[in-house]
Amino acid sequence: QQQVKQSPQSLIVQKGGIPIINCAYENTAFDYFPWYQQFPGKGPALLIAIRPDVSEKKEGRFTISFNKSAKQFSLHIMDSQPGDSATYFCAAKETSGSRLTFGEGTQLTVNP
Amino acid sequence: DSGVTQTPKHLITATGQRVTLRCSPRSGDLSVYWYQQSLDQGLQFLIQYYNGEERAKGNILERFSAQQFPDLHSELNLSSLELGDSALYFCASSPETGLGAGANVLTFGAGSRLTVL
Repeated sequence: QQQVKQSPQSLIVQKGGIPIINCAYENTAFDYFPWYQQFPGKGPALLIAIRPDVSEKKEGRFTISFNKSAKQFSLHIMDSQPGDSATYFCAAKETSGSRLTFGEGTQLTVNP
Repeated sequence: DSGVTQTPKHLITATGQRVTLRCSPRSGDLSVYWYQQSLDQGLQFLIQYYNGEERAKGNILERFSAQQFPDLHSELNLSSLELGDSALYFCASSPETGLGAGANVLTFGAGSRLTVL
């Protein structure tokens, strides 16, 4: 089964810090890489996504960096806030299908 | 509200029992996906349906089955339940047919929390 590996498992930063969450994938047939944010008691919600022909995408305080040759991508959260405390999942979609394969998740805590 | 409705929100049952989880997709979405989220686990893909037909299968146990009905709602049936089946079960929907490349935005419901005692 295709895999997406995510690290770290948990992350604690101070308000204003820049948490970075990393993901690596094995399947070169992935063509879409979204990040999902999940708050306790809620389902995951799409945060930001990137295609492999782009090296960086920024939406507000959230940035995805993508390294196609290394098969790695990462999420950076600028000026992090306590409200960003949540679990973040990276994911990847195969070209031939529509399902998403998720990483293991990163529990982010932003202290005030 | 994401537009994806899952019922029940919570379910407590005993080992050996059978339960049915229900999902109504977002209006206009034809694909439904089921994921399992166990404690300290990521989201494990179980199965996908598109317009009533099974489209993709993940690590779904033989004790589990699903279907999508003509009105596009879906049900996940879990039988001969074991303690290890305790988890959050998420349904997601998307307009994507899965037949081509490109973005696919999955919209998740709030989940059904199953506790097997």
